[in-house]
Amino acid sequence: DAKTTQPTSMDCAEGRAANLPCNHSTISGNEYVYWYRQIHSQGPQYIIHGLKNNETNEMASLIITEDRKSSTLILPHATLRDTAVYYCIVRVGRAGNTPLVFGKGTRLSVIA
Amino acid sequence: GAGVSQSPSNKVTEKGKDVELRCDPISGHTALYWYRQSLGQGLEFLIYFQGNSAPDKSGLPSDRFSAERTGGSVSTLTIQRTQQEDSAVYLCASSRDRAEAFFGQGTRLTVV
Repeated sequence: DAKTTQPTSMDCAEGRAANLPCNHSTISGNEYVYWYRQIHSQGPQYIIHGLKNNETNEMASLIITEDRKSSTLILPHATLRDTAVYYCIVRVGRAGNTPLVFGKGTRLSVIA
Repeated sequence: GAGVSQSPSNKVTEKGKDVELRCDPISGHTALYWYRQSLGQGLEFLIYFQGNSAPDKSGLPSDRFSAERTGGSVSTLTIQRTQQEDSAVYLCASSRDRAEAFFGQGTRLTVV
């Protein structure tokens, strides 16, 4: 039980923003939202995580709704190299508590 | 320092033989995870080590699978009496308290 729901697939035009939604309606108060991606034939790569405030780093932005029941990962200017499966995961923040469990993710295809 | 290192990168074995897969985590990382990924499928959690705590073995698919982590560093995943359905990419990851997990490139196991 990955505790999150994501669309199976999405397309995005190159250079446009990619907005990947995730529902996590049963999230607990001490659980963070993590995003990873897996480019074909590679190991998964950490993107970003957040608790309740919006977060931004060099890769992406994470927008979490006020009730924390959903979030959106934004890739501001998608490139062909962003084509990957994107995983949204909810998990207690400190590594000592629970393993990292992946769901099926969203397959993002960036199209030229 | 170096990232997570896994060896071998590829392994072909005969059905019924035992195999050992090795993972060298990033130095100082207290958490270590094993996953497997069958062709075209998502990441399946296998086992999780965190410091000196008892490992979370809830994802191991059968008693033919076991893992050890010696001295809180290197880990070995052992599969006894391999079956064709064990063919997959086996991924290892490690993390510190921030819970940002870094993945290795995996070991591709083929059971013939």
